[in-house]
Amino acid sequence: EPEVTQTPSHQVTQMGQEVILRCVPISNHLYFYWYRQILGQKVEFLVSFYNNEISEKSEIFDDQFSVERPDGSNFTLKIRSTKLEDSAMYFCASRQQRNEKLFFGSGTQLSVL
Amino acid sequence: AQTVTQSQPEMSVQEAETVTLSCTYDTSESDYYLFWYKQPPSRQMILVIRQEAYKQQNATENRFSVNFQKAAKSFSLKISDSQLGDAAMYFCASVTQGGSEKLVFGKGTKLTVNP
Repeated sequence: EPEVTQTPSHQVTQMGQEVILRCVPISNHLYFYWYRQILGQKVEFLVSFYNNEISEKSEIFDDQFSVERPDGSNFTLKIRSTKLEDSAMYFCASRQQRNEKLFFGSGTQLSVL
Repeated sequence: AQTVTQSQPEMSVQEAETVTLSCTYDTSESDYYLFWYKQPPSRQMILVIRQEAYKQQNATENRFSVNFQKAAKSFSLKISDSQLGDAAMYFCASVTQGGSEKLVFGKGTKLTVNP
């Protein structure tokens, strides 16, 4: 089965630093998403991306966050100035069409010190 | 707004037995999808089963089946012949067919399988 690939699997950063989380969605997918999960809590939607623009974002996704699909294969999440509360597992997901199966990557564990 | 509630923080089952995980949801939409995801200790999110709200027939995937009660807004997961590998967090989730694309998750149920 095709996979969504996320790198790195773990990222440690200092508070205030910029971090970029990388994802390679499945090649023929058109809809891309970022979710996050703070340890012990439920998975929360951050942002959806379609046709090279954000289609929906949550209240969590403030000005410190941005997404980009720079080269037609990668899909990145940037956090400009990390805060302690940004520590979480970040999941990338993709699907070919709306309401089709959503494929999740294995996640990037971000630790902000 | 959609909400998903899982009232059982933890459940346990004996190997080879059957267990049912509960989920209720609330939505004002008529067309939506419901899911159960499994999250093992590796924390990867694995789709277990999916149900379209317009379908009356309950979805089944091998040992996993759902009891979808649309009027009651209930969507429980039954795991038959439980195996040690079924031990994980299980999340119920919903998404509307139109409008918002976001998947809304419950808080999860931690399932322990005892040998």
